Amino acid sequence: AQKITQTQPGMFVQEKEAVTLDCTYDTSDPSYGLFWYKQPSSGEMIFLIYQGSYDQQNATEGRYSLNFQKARKSANLVISASQLGDSAMYFCAMREGLTGGGADGLTFGKGTHLIIQP
Amino acid sequence: EADIYQTPRYLVIGTGKKITLECSQTMGHDKMYWYQQDPGMELHLIHYSYGVNSTEKGDLSSESTVSRIRTEHFPLTLESARPSHTSQYLCASSEWVAKETQYFGPGTRLLVL
Repeated sequence: AQKITQTQPGMFVQEKEAVTLDCTYDTSDPSYGLFWYKQPSSGEMIFLIYQGSYDQQNATEGRYSLNFQKARKSANLVISASQLGDSAMYFCAMREGLTGGGADGLTFGKGTHLIIQP
Repeated sequence: EADIYQTPRYLVIGTGKKITLECSQTMGHDKMYWYQQDPGMELHLIHYSYGVNSTEKGDLSSESTVSRIRTEHFPLTLESARPSHTSQYLCASSEWVAKETQYFGPGTRLLVL
């Protein structure tokens, strides 16, 4: 079963509109972290925002916020006032077993290709 | 901003050649990772390291090998490149803290002819 599911392969959004990118996850571990990364066409992965499973409040970083609904196992990324430079692939990722301190990597979703139109 | 570097950025090479992809970070992070990403697809973990002299295989089986002789350096080697190795390879590092945000290098795009 997919651990991270991103159901929107692609999205077209008008500049200045808000965007919500969907992400649902599957884990039985009570301690986990959820991450969003942006990947422009140049290929690098840019860290955007993090939400821990025990965090009481939704994470925010500038124009990025994370709509964390733990019971539904969803962690949607919201971008306010979209800009042309936001056009990129966006990946949701999870790391389980945070309290274990292990070095295991991230599990990624398949990504959403976001295109901002002028 | 993270200081993690990868060279080369692009590599075109013939079948059977030995290649080494370099990854270095200047943040003093103990943990380092290698991911493989086919075009338009998700990333898959192929190797990781807890620190010097530590190397582990990731979730995706890979014919590549890694070494960690110095904290800042985590090279990946393919002894005999094949067209099936064509992909993007991304290196990342993180600290031993609860959040463990992974910071990525710019990636190496490998094409094996």
